[in-house]
Amino acid sequence: QKEVEQNSGPLSVPEGAIASLNCTYSDRGSQSFFWYRQYSGKSPELIMFIYSNGDKEDGRFTAQLNKASQYVSLLIRDSQPSDSATYLCAVISGSSNTGKLIFGQGTTLQVKP
Amino acid sequence: KAGVTQTPRYLIKTRGQQVTLSCSPISGHRSVSWYQQTPGQGLQFLFEYFSETQRNKGNFPGRFSGRQFSNSRSEMNVSTLELGDSALYLCASSLQALADTGELFFGEGSRLTVL
Repeated sequence: QKEVEQNSGPLSVPEGAIASLNCTYSDRGSQSFFWYRQYSGKSPELIMFIYSNGDKEDGRFTAQLNKASQYVSLLIRDSQPSDSATYLCAVISGSSNTGKLIFGQGTTLQVKP
Repeated sequence: KAGVTQTPRYLIKTRGQQVTLSCSPISGHRSVSWYQQTPGQGLQFLFEYFSETQRNKGNFPGRFSGRQFSNSRSEMNVSTLELGDSALYLCASSLQALADTGELFFGEGSRLTVL
């Protein structure tokens, strides 16, 4: 079992729709969760982080965390063609001294005009 | 504020050679971590350096090594290159160690091709 799992997609949604990206993780002790966006040919950039159970909203983006189910998701409302990218879920795994950031394989999102 | 700078951006090597990649973090950032990105495996953690000490290492063979200098600049070295080492190598810097933050700033990467 991979430490962080995502559906590779592609996930295709029409412009203006809600895109829902999902991620599961194996380390039950993980406390910190991140979403990165990577455009084709570019480096990843951080778009959201969440530490507590529940929802966290930032503009059109909402991160959701359920530690009991070991599940993180990212919702993108009013999707735009410029949101087309690969979205990487990342989780800090390990102890306080040796923790490392583990990335999922990423989900490719295509927003069609 | 300058971002993370990686050099060289592109390089081609042959099997058996070695390669050294360089990374200059954002000023003030003490943590530098390295990742290998391939289409099949995604983004895989190589190692992290914080204040010149390796804090953690991923599941890569000993051919992959790194170091960090007192100015926080970091280098990674791959010896005895194999075809499977062809990948994009990404460096990321952060203010705090990875155990304490996932807010990374990535460089543009060094694309290595092994022939």
